[in-house]
Amino acid sequence: GNSVTQMEGPVTLSEEAFLTINCTYTATGYPSLFWYVQYPGEGLQLLLKATKADDKGSNKGFEATYRKETTSFHLEKGSVQVSDSAVYFCALSDLGYGGSQGNLIFGKGTKLSVKP
Amino acid sequence: ETGVTQSPTHLIKTRGQQVTLRCSSQSGHNTVSWYQQALGQGPQFIFQYYREEENGRGNFPPRFSGLQFPNYSSELNVNALELDDSALYLCASSQKSGTGELFFGEGSRLTVL
Repeated sequence: GNSVTQMEGPVTLSEEAFLTINCTYTATGYPSLFWYVQYPGEGLQLLLKATKADDKGSNKGFEATYRKETTSFHLEKGSVQVSDSAVYFCALSDLGYGGSQGNLIFGKGTKLSVKP
Repeated sequence: ETGVTQSPTHLIKTRGQQVTLRCSSQSGHNTVSWYQQALGQGPQFIFQYYREEENGRGNFPPRFSGLQFPNYSSELNVNALELDDSALYLCASSQKSGTGELFFGEGSRLTVL
């Protein structure tokens, strides 16, 4: 079945460091890919998305490119801030319910802590 | 634009009891999905409702049930609560014809003692 694997945390970085959180997926068809972020005590917020191969999603300085050949969607940011401290989830849309949209399958999450 | 709202935000139940969680979807959205997020884990899909009918279900037993109302709001009901049901329950709304993007509420934190 479809699945998402992301690097385990926690990840601790100093402010202005470069961030990479790896995400790989297994899927049939052509799912959309997402990164969601969860700040402490809050629900999930969409960070960025890509709907087809070679698309690059970007938001708030974060980027991820949909790589079909390596089945990856790694999250990157050139210079992290303390305010980026959160849990990041990679997800793919499961299109197995006969329509254009199914449920999302999430990875286990990667906790990022950024120190001043 | 009104976002997804959930109630209650926190609740405590004892094993064997029943619980109902509520969700109001974002304006213009016709699909509601429910997820269970255990501590330190990613959200797990429970089920999805579209046009007041269940439109997909994850690996959860029948004691997890739901409803969607004509105004697209939704309820999640869990019977015969077990200790392992302690989790954050997330509601998400979306458009059926969309790209799969979900808009989440802040969740209902359920503790089963």
